Amino acid sequence: AQTVTQSQPEMSVQEAETVTLSCTYDTSESNYYLFWYKQPPSRQMILVIRQEAYKQQNATENRFSVNFQKAAKSFSLKISDSQLGDTAMYFCAFMRGMASGSARQLTFGSGTQLTVLP
Amino acid sequence: EAQVTQNPRYLITVTGKKLTVTCSQNMNHEYMSWYRQDPGLGLRQIYYSMNVEVTDKGDVPEGYKVSRKEKRNFPLILESPSPNQTSLYFCATREQGPVKTQYFGPGTRLLVL
Repeated sequence: AQTVTQSQPEMSVQEAETVTLSCTYDTSESNYYLFWYKQPPSRQMILVIRQEAYKQQNATENRFSVNFQKAAKSFSLKISDSQLGDTAMYFCAFMRGMASGSARQLTFGSGTQLTVLP
Repeated sequence: EAQVTQNPRYLITVTGKKLTVTCSQNMNHEYMSWYRQDPGLGLRQIYYSMNVEVTDKGDVPEGYKVSRKEKRNFPLILESPSPNQTSLYFCATREQGPVKTQYFGPGTRLLVL
């Protein structure tokens, strides 16, 4: 079974600064996908970024980037130039790759509450 | 516009009173699932469906039922709700095959007294 661990329940950052959220996972799979989801106060789940394990290049989406360390099973999210609208709960999630006869679900970490301070 | 809708968005009920939370999607996705979110536990999958009439248990299926009679709908049924089912529930959908983005509904906050 896969597990996802987010060891920082809460974090804060000053507006315009950079913050990094940590995520580690445990799996015996070699083919998998990793995601960061954002959940603002509205409770909507919004995909921020995703990474395919077979890709060595770290994914980037505007101000959001990841540091994917496959050997260390680490998948951190860096938010640059933090904005007040980035205040949200952030979830790291894992999904197995294609496997015949098996459905693939998302396994979530427990979340990190990020507060961006003015 | 691609949408996943859930109804109701908020529900307060009493122990033992059967309830259904509906989920509907307009993206023609085969895969649909239900999650519950509890503080400190993240989201945990309750049930999923890979296509019409195909459903299976997730990690926390006890106390829940689902059905998939139509591709677009995937209702979550609580036959006899209990206070430990007080939670925030999300429906999610995605396409089959190589990993596609999972789309979440807006969530249903349930309080069981």
